[in-house]
Amino acid sequence: DTAVSQTPKYLVTQMGNDKSIKCEQNLGHDTMYWYKQDSKKFLKIMFSYNNKELIINETVPNRFSPKSPDKAHLNLHINSLELGDSAVYFCASSQDVTGTTEQFFGPGTRLTVL
Amino acid sequence: AQRVTQPEKLLSVFKGAPVELKCNYSYSGSPELFWYVQYSRQRLQLLLRHISRESIKGFTADLNKGETSFHLKKPFAQEEDSAMYYCALSAWDDKIIFGKGTRLHILP
Repeated sequence: DTAVSQTPKYLVTQMGNDKSIKCEQNLGHDTMYWYKQDSKKFLKIMFSYNNKELIINETVPNRFSPKSPDKAHLNLHINSLELGDSAVYFCASSQDVTGTTEQFFGPGTRLTVL
Repeated sequence: AQRVTQPEKLLSVFKGAPVELKCNYSYSGSPELFWYVQYSRQRLQLLLRHISRESIKGFTADLNKGETSFHLKKPFAQEEDSAMYYCALSAWDDKIIFGKGTRLHILP
């Protein structure tokens, strides 16, 4: 009964490839997020969706495109992968967008671009 | 199994009183521990990490390997401390494992 799941957990790929990371939450939450973890363990928010609508879109290259087919899913598609995209990506969900309800984090996906 | 446990979902403390947010971890190795904070309507941010032994906004946290704990403390609570606090552990593969969070509510 995992709350927030991400697949795959590890992804190794070549530069220039296109890849997707999937995220699903079974908590009935309205809001989902994608974060990128940097080398210093800072989590930088990339995108946030509320009820399938994009509400936060940080300065992220156009190669990154989130897709939310329904409230329970927020997938991250990355085109033309670059070496600098190597990082851990976290999906999270919360009941609302106010930041007053806790976020539930997925296990993270470690992306390695060779 | 690697796990971070925050036993309190909600902690209410009067302004000026000491604060202690509990965090226990399970990890077979030398852990790297962190506290993250999210204030209302703001982004999640890193508050402090145990390796830097710093004090941020009056908060400190000491890693106790014997008790496998990394409790967050502040001697005198302020109203602006009201927020969600997440304890986290950096695992062998550099991924962060989060606790479920504790909502700190500072009462006037």
